Amino acid sequence: DAGITQSPRHKVTETGTPVTLRCHQTENHRYMYWYRQDPGHGLRLIHYSYGVKDTDKGEVSDGYSVSRSKTEDFLLTLESATSSQTSVYFCAISGGQGQETQYFGPGTRLLVL
Amino acid sequence: GESVGLHLPTLSVQEGDNSIINCAYSNSASDYFIWYKQESGKGPQFIIDIRSNMDKRQGQRVTVLLNKTVKHLSLQIAATQPGDSAVYFCAESPGNTPLVFGKGTRLSVIA
Repeated sequence: DAGITQSPRHKVTETGTPVTLRCHQTENHRYMYWYRQDPGHGLRLIHYSYGVKDTDKGEVSDGYSVSRSKTEDFLLTLESATSSQTSVYFCAISGGQGQETQYFGPGTRLLVL
Repeated sequence: GESVGLHLPTLSVQEGDNSIINCAYSNSASDYFIWYKQESGKGPQFIIDIRSNMDKRQGQRVTVLLNKTVKHLSLQIAATQPGDSAVYFCAESPGNTPLVFGKGTRLSVIA
């Protein structure tokens, strides 16, 4: 398995509170991604990073921000959580884009009450 | 349990039979394709990939077929086992952009 960990693995929070999810890799891959997975939608890209301090938006980036200060860590922040952000969040890594496999972490299950 | 599969098409097969899971992709410019397996409560796991200059690629008990003319991808699993029960989805790479994922098919193996 690719060396990817996510923390926390489960979190329950209240509407309006900030939440930060962490993805850590030991593979020294350049690209890191945050997805959310919901019934009927499959995996949807939130944000991705192509290097330290280099990030770009995905298709569902509203309400989320990211930061990457080190190659191995990619943080996803919900500034003010809403119930619509209840989901399972996956981090993924790859060596590049275009003909490059992405490897996924174990996921974080977030419940916003 | 995992709720991601609530609205997915389901394929039920007898243990020992072969399974065929299909995927229609959207972008004719896509040149790389991946199949993932996702078990309940876990992250997607890479199974096999194929580049657009190939029509077929085989792995251990799995074969991926690519038909670029009709933008169709299939995953064949030989001698399906209970441990193959999972959600399977394809992903396409339309060049130098992030992967685009299909919604998936749930495979249920009947012992």
